[in-house]
Amino acid sequence: KAGVTQTPRYLIKTRGQQVTLSCSPISGHRSVSWYQQTPGQGLQFLFEYFSETQRNKGNFPGRFSGRQFSNSRSEMNVSTLELGDSALYLCASSLVSRGLSYEQYFGPGTRLTVT
Amino acid sequence: QQQVKQSPQSLIVQKGGISIINCAYENTAFDYFPWYQQFPGKGPALLIAIRPDVSEKKEGRFTISFNKSAKQFSLHIMDSQPGDSATYFCAASSGETSGSRLTFGEGTQLTVNP
Repeated sequence: KAGVTQTPRYLIKTRGQQVTLSCSPISGHRSVSWYQQTPGQGLQFLFEYFSETQRNKGNFPGRFSGRQFSNSRSEMNVSTLELGDSALYLCASSLVSRGLSYEQYFGPGTRLTVT
Repeated sequence: QQQVKQSPQSLIVQKGGISIINCAYENTAFDYFPWYQQFPGKGPALLIAIRPDVSEKKEGRFTISFNKSAKQFSLHIMDSQPGDSATYFCAASSGETSGSRLTFGEGTQLTVNP
């Protein structure tokens, strides 16, 4: 079974621009979560989508948003980029059965650099 | 109350030794405790996970020990190998969607010398 895939793998943007990252979950996984990883703050939860609905949300400003499509693929968008948004953005997928989520499997991440 | 504290920040062990990484949590609602391994340039990979109804879980060379009363859990890597050199993260989550919102520890950089 193919793992979680994320595109692009690397991205360089300028302050003030916006960016969209994409995630394809493992086949059959309907929950997709997004995390930000930085050396200073570690791994922080951004949000989770299930059945095209945001089910959980972390403590990030409204500039960070996401969506999920009917095939469970997800995108996250960051508007008005700031230097502090430079990070590794990780997507994780998990199986959902009877409303319960199980183990999360991470993709390789998208390395975003804001200059 | 959502924090997970992990120690040590870095760890150096000799090949064949035992690596021990500890985590402590505050939120008593946490009911799922996974460990992840991350190599440079890669995403975290799920190693092993435990729920509070058991005190220990073993998978190959990896063992989780869980102490519910102390709100602590630890990862033991037996017979540590140079290939185990990576960053290890503990995590925790709670509720019906227990897998979906993980709170991570700060990470431990493990180096296993040959």
